[in-house]
Amino acid sequence: DTAVSQTPKYLVTQMGNDKSIKCEQNLGHDTMYWYKQDSKKFLKIMFSYNNKELIINETVPNRFSPKSPDKAHLNLHINSLELGDSAVYFCASSQARGRYEQYFGPGTRLTVT
Amino acid sequence: AQSVTQLGSHVSVSEGALVLLRCNYSSSVPPYLFWYVQYPNQGLQLLLKYTSAATLVKGINGFEAEFKKSETSFHLTKPSAHMSDAAEYFCAVSGSFGNEKLTFGTGTRLTIIP
Repeated sequence: DTAVSQTPKYLVTQMGNDKSIKCEQNLGHDTMYWYKQDSKKFLKIMFSYNNKELIINETVPNRFSPKSPDKAHLNLHINSLELGDSAVYFCASSQARGRYEQYFGPGTRLTVT
Repeated sequence: AQSVTQLGSHVSVSEGALVLLRCNYSSSVPPYLFWYVQYPNQGLQLLLKYTSAATLVKGINGFEAEFKKSETSFHLTKPSAHMSDAAEYFCAVSGSFGNEKLTFGTGTRLTIIP
């Protein structure tokens, strides 16, 4: 009964490929997020959706495209992968818009070779 | 705009000693503050949060934090360290409504010395 789940947990791929990471939450939350954690453990918001609507879109290359088919799912598609995309990507969810605590998934470690 | 600064990227304490992890914040609105813990190869787990109610906040695993507006601080403490506390700790501040992203500090790695 994992609250926020991500697949896959590990992803190894070559430069130039396209890949997707999936996220699902079973908490009934309205708001979901994608964060990127770099090799120095620094965490930075990428996107946020509220009830399938994009509400936060940080300065992220347009090779990254989030998609929310419903409020329980938020996927991240990455085109033309580059070495610098190697990182751990975390999905999170919160009850609603506003200053609620966020619940994080286990992360997807992406390695681009 | 909001930001947090965590002083000390690495902190080592002996088992049974006091744990003190420092966090200072900057926020253009009354802040909501959070401490998260990340164990190796895992996601982030919420330890505690400050949302403008009591200034002394108690969290899980015996941790607590005190909000001090005059010092713009939200330091995390635990009276007696346990080996299982070894992890990375992140302080975070939430933006205002309409910009609710969490802005994280750079993290503090806590090592417990047996």
